[in-house]
Amino acid sequence: EADIYQTPRYLVIGTGKKITLECSQTMGHDKMYWYQQDPGMELHLIHYSYGVNSTEKGDLSSESTVSRIRTEHFPLTLESARPSHTSQYLCASTPRTGSPLHFGNGTRLTVT
Amino acid sequence: AQSVTQPDIHITVSEGASLELRCNYSYGATPYLFWYVQSPGQGLQLLLKYFSGDTLVQGIKGFEAEFKRSQSSFNLRKPSVHWSDAAEYFCAVDRADKLIFGTGTRLQVFP
Repeated sequence: EADIYQTPRYLVIGTGKKITLECSQTMGHDKMYWYQQDPGMELHLIHYSYGVNSTEKGDLSSESTVSRIRTEHFPLTLESARPSHTSQYLCASTPRTGSPLHFGNGTRLTVT
Repeated sequence: AQSVTQPDIHITVSEGASLELRCNYSYGATPYLFWYVQSPGQGLQLLLKYFSGDTLVQGIKGFEAEFKRSQSSFNLRKPSVHWSDAAEYFCAVDRADKLIFGTGTRLQVFP
């Protein structure tokens, strides 16, 4: 069941544009995450949040930024897109430590 | 550093054959371990999880996994593979509130 929503599903954009990838969940989860998935499948944590006004950078350095003004919303922004940002971005949430993550269907971003 | 290793990048099996996907982890304490499956163009779906207790855990779609502390392994198994099982499979460990994934194994199923 799709309790976590990502938009858009696909985005093709030119270099230098500012973009925001949306992620919303209806489950009231405090913990939310952004993963970047390479074409070869590997997932890397780029941002996470433990609640409103809490954001942290993940293990993989990213030029993107995130915000968490509301519990249900965790958008990711790229101020100036570059071809190196071409990837799939997956959003996830969980209610507590050790509980499985719920994933959205992802946004596949292509920067030309 | 805590990590997860999936040594098989790509596995091909015939429909009806048994399957075992390998996962090894590096973690100091008893970890929370997970297996996820990803179909093309989709997010990840949880197959099963291990927290504690019985080392053989059952999941959805007929999958099971066995936690072996002595081998630091959490291998995924299925006795008879169906064509619809073709997908990418990810092993993951919970490290301080963050899920760390292995590099994934792509499963191909031949009729």
